Amino acid sequence: DAGVIQSPRHEVTEMGQEVTLRCKPISGHNSLFWYRQTMMRGLELLIYFNNNVPIDDSGMPEDRFSAKMPNASFSTLKIQPSEPRDSAVYFCASSLIPENYGYTFGSGTRLTVV
Amino acid sequence: AQRVTQPEKLLSVFKGAPVELKCNYSYSGSPELFWYVQYSRQRLQLLLRHISRESIKGFTADLNKGETSFHLKKPFAQEEDSAMYYCALRTGFQKLVFGTGTRLLVSP
Repeated sequence: DAGVIQSPRHEVTEMGQEVTLRCKPISGHNSLFWYRQTMMRGLELLIYFNNNVPIDDSGMPEDRFSAKMPNASFSTLKIQPSEPRDSAVYFCASSLIPENYGYTFGSGTRLTVV
Repeated sequence: AQRVTQPEKLLSVFKGAPVELKCNYSYSGSPELFWYVQYSRQRLQLLLRHISRESIKGFTADLNKGETSFHLKKPFAQEEDSAMYYCALRTGFQKLVFGTGTRLLVSP
């Protein structure tokens, strides 16, 4: 397995544009998590899915953010419209729950909104 | 509320010195604790799980429920240990809550 795959690795966009981040979890994992990493706030959980169903989206900052998981092998995180304060590294992670191995993280998408 | 506190943003030591990265947690249930490591511009990787009581790359961590701590220790630091270290707590809802991280810098 190639691990958790995220695309793109880097994204630079102008303020106001729509941004879509993509994630392919590890095959067989039933849970998927989206995190945002910034210098100021560290790692923040945005949303997580279990069996493709959103379980907790309390970390989604505002209505500009949305996430979907149409099937077990794909998820998207969308920001519309994007703002400079959204600049961060966005990580996707997957896991098999219940188990005790923690998460497997993707390489992240570095988003810069100018 | 679930919370993980890593009081040190930066820990700087010389090669061969002992290292202790502090982690304290707040959780009313039975905690599951992890340490993750992130080398420069790479993905987060699982380093340790408290339930496995293992030693990885010379690092160990013991859960102290009385002090609500899960400090990460290594007796002799190496330059390749330089990285960002995150302590994480898994709650009953299966989500990981991370601390703000400690950057370990090991100088020659």
